[in-house]
Amino acid sequence: GQSLEQPSEVTAVEGAIVQINCTYQTSGFYGLSWYQQHDGGAPTFLSYNALDGLEETGRFSSFLSRSDSYGYLLLQELQMKDSASYFCAVRDEGFSGGYNKLIFGAGTRLAVHP
Amino acid sequence: DSGVTQTPKHLITATGQRVTLRCSPRSGDLSVYWYQQSLDQGLQFLIQYYNGEERAKGNILERFSAQQFPDLHSELNLSSLELGDSALYFCASSGNQGAYEQYFGPGTRLTVT
Repeated sequence: GQSLEQPSEVTAVEGAIVQINCTYQTSGFYGLSWYQQHDGGAPTFLSYNALDGLEETGRFSSFLSRSDSYGYLLLQELQMKDSASYFCAVRDEGFSGGYNKLIFGAGTRLAVHP
Repeated sequence: DSGVTQTPKHLITATGQRVTLRCSPRSGDLSVYWYQQSLDQGLQFLIQYYNGEERAKGNILERFSAQQFPDLHSELNLSSLELGDSALYFCASSGNQGAYEQYFGPGTRLTVT
């Protein structure tokens, strides 16, 4: 089976840096994705790591260590609008192979304060 | 706007009833995924279709079924509804980039009374 663990809540102040960790256990692993979801909204794709290392997209970066089954999302220069839930997700193989599905973690609720 | 549309936006129905949720993927996307999100819960993967064929299944109840039509729109059918089925149901689609980058619709909020 698959399991992903991430903290349930994180609090930070505007302008700060926050790191949201994700550890996973999967029978097969193809990559780690991150999604953002504002209250009442739909999840939106942020980043994807298939290989070890850091991927940077503006104020957001995502890191993966396959040997440690671990990844994190780094949010810099926090803004109030970053208050949302953040989900890590792993690709898992569908039963037809090659058509992967995403298994989501329970999400981390980030609250950014002034 | 992700380009994925879902109807209806809200649905209120009684226990024991049957409902159909509809999803149209982004133009050109062949894969459609269905998720259930209960209050303050994560996204539970239900089922995936690719170009009309079922390709992956999650913990989808036997009371639930789905299909993808030749025009690539998909429907999720929920029957014998129970109070615990009240949730947000999201549809997502992906293209050639694969399942890791999915585009989600606005969701259908189902309330079972």
